[in-house]
Amino acid sequence: AQSVAQPEDQVNVAEGNPLTVKCTYSVSGNPYLFWYVQYPNRGLQFLLKYITGDNLVKGSYGFEAEFNKSQTSFHLKKPSALVSDSALYFCAVRDIPSSNDYKLSFGAGTTVTVRA
Amino acid sequence: GAGVSQSPSNKVTEKGKDVELRCDPISGHTALYWYRQRLGQGLEFLIYFQGNSAPDKSGLPSDRFSAERTGESVSTLTIQRTQQEDSAVYLCASSLGGLGFYEQYFGPGTRLTVT
Repeated sequence: AQSVAQPEDQVNVAEGNPLTVKCTYSVSGNPYLFWYVQYPNRGLQFLLKYITGDNLVKGSYGFEAEFNKSQTSFHLKKPSALVSDSALYFCAVRDIPSSNDYKLSFGAGTTVTVRA
Repeated sequence: GAGVSQSPSNKVTEKGKDVELRCDPISGHTALYWYRQRLGQGLEFLIYFQGNSAPDKSGLPSDRFSAERTGESVSTLTIQRTQQEDSAVYLCASSLGGLGFYEQYFGPGTRLTVT
């Protein structure tokens, strides 16, 4: 079984400060990990993914995430947040190998608010 | 290029009526997914289509829900005898293939309100 947890419902930061959105996962094998962002009144957009290789992955809009196998975490980070980063962020995981390895399990989401 | 499109963007219906939601995936994407997103919650997997394989319907919440896909193009999600608990945003996504490492591209969703 696969699952993902986003322990914080909301994250509030000031513009220019570092932003971290936490994600932990549970899988029986090895994970594929994804971050998506949902801006108000828009669909989910893909930000970045970890499949294999370098534990630090870089994605769109200056975001990056670090895969930590020992802590089963995949926290999303941005060194300097912008007001335009205010949105709903979802972490997602896929357990591999699995006969249903196309299924993605999503976290409940974290609302990020960046104040000017 | 064109992304995933969904129609209608909003649908208000009376309890007991049937509704049909439409999804146009990105051209060339063989995999298509439907999700349900209730207010303040994460995404709930409903159904998955991959090429000509039998769809995975394991996420459909009841037999009132069904979905079809024409080849590797348009998909429709039908909800019969709608109930108030069906109110949610229904999201469609497509990906290049069914393998787990392909990211999914989402449409803007259909907001369904059952009164």
